[in-house]
Amino acid sequence: DAGVIQSPRHEVTEMGQEVTLRCKPISGHDYLFWYRQTMMRGLELLIYFNNNVPIDDSGMPEDRFSAKMPNASFSTLKIQPSEPRDSAVYFCASSFALGQVEDGYTFGSGTRLTVV
Amino acid sequence: QQPVQSPQAVILREGEDAVINCSSSKALYSVHWYRQKHGEAPVFLMILLKGGEQKGHDKISASFNEKKQQSSLYLTASQLSYSGTYFCGTYGEYGNKLVFGAGTILRVKS
Repeated sequence: DAGVIQSPRHEVTEMGQEVTLRCKPISGHDYLFWYRQTMMRGLELLIYFNNNVPIDDSGMPEDRFSAKMPNASFSTLKIQPSEPRDSAVYFCASSFALGQVEDGYTFGSGTRLTVV
Repeated sequence: QQPVQSPQAVILREGEDAVINCSSSKALYSVHWYRQKHGEAPVFLMILLKGGEQKGHDKISASFNEKKQQSSLYLTASQLSYSGTYFCGTYGEYGNKLVFGAGTILRVKS
């Protein structure tokens, strides 16, 4: 398997623009997670899906953020409108299970988002 | 709200040992350990599923003390390739999700 695939790797956008981040999880993994990493707040869980259904979105910072998983092989994280404080590295990860999983989570390479 | 890792950073010479600790204020169901190199994604190292468990491969091992609500990662005879940021992730402390500590920066010098 090619692992978790994220696109784009880098995104630079102007404040107020819409940004869409994409993720393809590992085939067969039932769980998909979106994490955000910043120096100040570390790795934060934004939302996770189980079998394409959003389960916990309590980490989504505000209504400007939305995530979808239309099928088992694709998920998007959208920010509209974007703000400079959204600048961060966004990771997608997938797994067979939530926490007690022998193989852990597999992370994608991340999308480095810069909002100017 | 996140597990507490210590130390925040450590510098070693090749061949030296290090211990990284991860502690929680509540009971844990499992503890994950990951390593992240600069500019890359976190990579899974191992998971500890129950109190008293110890695991390891090569010269990296970990233990899980359920009563103390703490896990420790042991790096023995460190190599340059061990450099990176180590994160523990705890499951069960904050509901059904994996929450990561702030990370421990490890630098191995030749």
